[in-house]
Amino acid sequence: NAGVTQTPKFRVLKTGQSMTLLCAQDMNHEYMYWYRQDPGMGLRLIHYSVGEGTTAKGEVPDGYNVSRLKKQNFLLGLESAAPSQTSVYFCASSRGQLNEKLFFGSGTQLSVL
Amino acid sequence: RKEVEQDPGPFNVPEGATVAFNCTYSNSASQSFFWYRQDCRKEPKLLMSVYSSGNEDGRFTAQLNRASQYISLLIRDSKLSDSATYLCVSFRGGNNRKLIWGLGTSLAVNP
Repeated sequence: NAGVTQTPKFRVLKTGQSMTLLCAQDMNHEYMYWYRQDPGMGLRLIHYSVGEGTTAKGEVPDGYNVSRLKKQNFLLGLESAAPSQTSVYFCASSRGQLNEKLFFGSGTQLSVL
Repeated sequence: RKEVEQDPGPFNVPEGATVAFNCTYSNSASQSFFWYRQDCRKEPKLLMSVYSSGNEDGRFTAQLNRASQYISLLIRDSKLSDSATYLCVSFRGGNNRKLIWGLGTSLAVNP
């Protein structure tokens, strides 16, 4: 049982490049989330989805886009990467409510030069 | 002031010690709470959920004090493997429902 799988684990981008982070869960969860974690800032919600075909903005959505075309996948896109987007990104999922256990992926370390 | 605040530590304790962390929250709309454990450079993992006054799971006990707006995590008989950062999370209900994450408390258990 894989749980939540994120790819890639590491990536280095140049300013202005684009990329997509992939998240897949095999637990049939309704809710999926993208967080970023920075020193001194804690976990901050970028975007989330409450079901297939839906997305919503979190606390820090600017510079990111997401899609949830299939229930098991949640994609995070950076159209034009900036150094301020250097961070560790975590995908997570939960069964059906915000106040339930979150299952996290192992994270993506992204550096934007 | 942050909505969820934790002492960043680090807490350095010997093996076998009992250690307690507090987490304070400022929003009375907070309905439930969670403690997550995060190892260095790894993903957070749920340690305990608190939906009422408290919860206990083996060596770990969480207690909620709504009057004083804090939640504590007590770890008894500390193990080397308990060394990690412990994240306090509150679920804020109402019209603007969201999870509020603390910055974490670092624990180092020493042999």
